[in-house]
Amino acid sequence: QSVLTQPPSASGTPGQRVTISCSGSSSNIGSNPVNWYQQLPGSAPKLLIYSNNQRPSGVPDRFSGSRSGTSASLAISGLQSEDEADYYCAAWDDSLIGPVFGGGTELTVL
Amino acid sequence: QLQLQESGPGLVKPSETLSLTCTVSGGSISGSSHYWGWIRQPPGKGLQWIGHIFYTGSTYYNSSLMSRVTISVDTSKNQFSLRLSSVSAADTALYYCVRRNSGWRAFDYWGQGTLVTVSS
Repeated sequence: QSVLTQPPSASGTPGQRVTISCSGSSSNIGSNPVNWYQQLPGSAPKLLIYSNNQRPSGVPDRFSGSRSGTSASLAISGLQSEDEADYYCAAWDDSLIGPVFGGGTELTVL
Repeated sequence: QLQLQESGPGLVKPSETLSLTCTVSGGSISGSSHYWGWIRQPPGKGLQWIGHIFYTGSTYYNSSLMSRVTISVDTSKNQFSLRLSSVSAADTALYYCVRRNSGWRAFDYWGQGTLVTVSS
């Protein structure tokens, strides 16, 4: 069981906007910034969003993040076939004294 | 460009100790304001943080693994290492070495990962 809860799967058609949710608690998302990672098939994860809504250099602005209370979400607009990947949310947990991850969401581009 | 590369045995026997090393190139561990750590991913499953270390040697470990984990740093070689004792099949996973950006509070650099299988 992952500390953060994500839907196991999501899907969309090219050009569509999709969102992936991440639910936590007051000890993690409720009090610490959320990060999102993209893992393409056969590759290592890559940082996509940090500090809730910041994009590292090189990440397209089609990707955006938000946080509200003990939940966060990742939005992908103008969906492209190359966005097909697993997406993980993460946040520091004050009770566990370490970062925790969601179980991951497998995004399919139909 | 910073690069991280894992190395170590791909097969470990049950009850023995798993040992991996991460070599950092394109930047120095010593004096860095960031942390260096390990994350693993069992086949077909999600990510699990193992722990991370500062160049001075201070460490954070996942409480569920703390009794078996040691992360150390060798600044002279620009490397850091993972030791996981008393392994079982449940420790079979892809092991990634990572940099934790202390300002961003996120893992911003990842190695390619190395598969470690625990089997007799």
